[in-house]
Amino acid sequence: QVKLVQSGAEVKEPGASVNISCQASGYSLSDYYVHWVRQAPGQGLEWMGMITPSGGRNTYAQQFQGRILMTRDTSTTTVYLQLTGLTSQDTAVYYCARGPTVRSLFDPWGQGTLVTVSS
Amino acid sequence: EIVMTQSPKSLSVSLGERATIYCKSSQSVLYNSNNKNYLGWYQQRPGQPPKLIISWASTRESGVPDRFSGSGSGTEFSLTISSLQAEDVAVYYCQQYYNSPFTFGPGTRVDF
Repeated sequence: QVKLVQSGAEVKEPGASVNISCQASGYSLSDYYVHWVRQAPGQGLEWMGMITPSGGRNTYAQQFQGRILMTRDTSTTTVYLQLTGLTSQDTAVYYCARGPTVRSLFDPWGQGTLVTVSS
Repeated sequence: EIVMTQSPKSLSVSLGERATIYCKSSQSVLYNSNNKNYLGWYQQRPGQPPKLIISWASTRESGVPDRFSGSGSGTEFSLTISSLQAEDVAVYYCQQYYNSPFTFGPGTRVDF
């Protein structure tokens, strides 16, 4: 069974960084893209970027350029999202999701990780 | 960036009745080389991550009840629930995967 399990909720102060993990099981990280999507409270879905199955160059949404990093550890089948320079606008649930090709829909999704940015 | 819009913002339908949601893209998501529309639909129940229900504009995912159907091409699409069930209460999002950045519609809330 394909599953993505994310790390737990985080509370961060403005200006801090957050690292979220997404552990995949039931398939090989080397065969699929992993996307990150976030959802602010009561809001819609916002695509943040994707990490390639080959470990090559990732693609990030322009609004996050310069403060986002996606990495992976194939030995633990885990993908990581790092977001720096947090503001209250980054308070959201962050999801990882699998995609079979560079242009594909996302299935399945992780359970989500709530990141709260507050002083 | 392809901008996705949806209408209505919310929809209240009696149980057993039909619900239809519309989605428009700011440019065509039909890829001419394979004649496929790079448009999908997700269902998000309260407190849950989104669940993929329709791909390629009209292909139901495995296990999705046949009361869900998708249609449309180019820039205009729709999702229909033929007979609303209580478990269908959710927010529905369309998404284009024609090109990056992959963008979502703002969502349509369906209840009864």
